[in-house]
Amino acid sequence: GAVVSQHPSRVICKSGTSVKIECRSLDFQATTMFWYRQFPKQSLMLMATSNEGSKATYEQGVEKDKFLINHASLTLSTLTVTSAHPEDSSFYICSAGGQNNQPQHFGDGTRLSIL
Amino acid sequence: AQSVSQHNHHVILSEAASLELGCNYSYGGTVNLFWYVQYPGQHLQLLLKYFSGDPLVKGIKGFEAEFIKSKFSFNLRKPSVQWSDTAEYFCAVRGSFKTIFGAGTRLFVKA
Repeated sequence: GAVVSQHPSRVICKSGTSVKIECRSLDFQATTMFWYRQFPKQSLMLMATSNEGSKATYEQGVEKDKFLINHASLTLSTLTVTSAHPEDSSFYICSAGGQNNQPQHFGDGTRLSIL
Repeated sequence: AQSVSQHNHHVILSEAASLELGCNYSYGGTVNLFWYVQYPGQHLQLLLKYFSGDPLVKGIKGFEAEFIKSKFSFNLRKPSVQWSDTAEYFCAVRGSFKTIFGAGTRLFVKA
């Protein structure tokens, strides 16, 4: 069964609203989680590394104020797309695990559509 | 910095043909290597992974990959492809905690 749960699976909202996506590790503690986005017919691009209890580490070119990440507990990381616009429409995927030769688990993804 | 390069963006094969997809990476330290597959309309699935030991790794569905450290390569192979192997294949490299994905190779197998 799934070990990483992502919610919601799909969001459609108006331009200018903020959208929060949750990523939960179901049966293990994750001090680190990762957020990716995937545009249609393209690869996964790492956006940021979410660190429990501290600030996230963002990849070059990713706006920190646009994509707010909070990792308040060992099983939950959230990504908030603030003031979303149509160009933010994408498929967002989180992952957890992967340290100490453990497998990395991916969530099912969230398809975000901004009208 | 880590980087991953997949040489072929699109590959078209007939059923029963052999497959080899290239993957090269750049990273100065120890890496973990992965191949993922994404079938049309579905999410990523792990095909195989290399952490250490035997550089020839066998995965699911008859796929295998060979880690050649001197060439910084981790090519994916399958001796005889099937129509159901039509999908997009991503090579991924993990070093220093984060995983970076290649651009992907779109494979189409003709029946």
